[in-house]
Amino acid sequence: AQSVAQPEDQVNVAEGNPLTVKCTYSVSGNPYLFWYVQYPNRGLQFLLKYITGDNLVKGSYGFEAEFNKSQTSFHLKKPSALVSDSALYFCAVRDPMNSGGYQKVTFGTGTKLQVIP
Amino acid sequence: DAGITQSPRHKVTETGTPVTLRCHQTENHRYMYWYRQDPGHGLRLIHYSYGVKDTDKGEVSDGYSVSRSKTEDFLLTLESATSSQTSVYFCAISDRAVSDGYTFGSGTRLTVV
Repeated sequence: AQSVAQPEDQVNVAEGNPLTVKCTYSVSGNPYLFWYVQYPNRGLQFLLKYITGDNLVKGSYGFEAEFNKSQTSFHLKKPSALVSDSALYFCAVRDPMNSGGYQKVTFGTGTKLQVIP
Repeated sequence: DAGITQSPRHKVTETGTPVTLRCHQTENHRYMYWYRQDPGHGLRLIHYSYGVKDTDKGEVSDGYSVSRSKTEDFLLTLESATSSQTSVYFCAISDRAVSDGYTFGSGTRLTVV
């Protein structure tokens, strides 16, 4: 069974500092990995994905994520945090080796990012 | 969220009453999904659709049914609402099942009293 873990419920970072939001996963095959962001009273917005290729993936709003197969991690990063980055971040995984017509996406429980001015 | 709308945005209903939530898309995407979001659980899949009249259960489908009579509309019905179904419900769409990210609606906050 596939799973994804976000070990931190909340991450606090000062504005201008680098930020990291952690995600680890477990799948039987090679994973498809996603990050989403949710602002208050809004739906989730797609940030970036890793399917194959370069381990460093760049996405929207200056975010990037690094796929590390040996550590089964896909941490979200940004070199310089903005107050406007404060939101709820979700990691998600899909195992393309799952049989059947639908390949389930499993979401993490979310990490609240608070950027302090 | 462009291309996908949910209605209503908020609803309060009484225990035992049926409730229908609507998801409408203008993207002509094949796949549509209903999720519920609860603290400590992240997002959990209720039902999904892979085409008109083609639907299947997700991981928390008990007490819910869905219908998709047109590509653009995906309805979620709580047959007899219970307090445990108080949640925020999100609809999502995708064009292909495998490598696409999802586009989410803005959600429906449902309170069952």
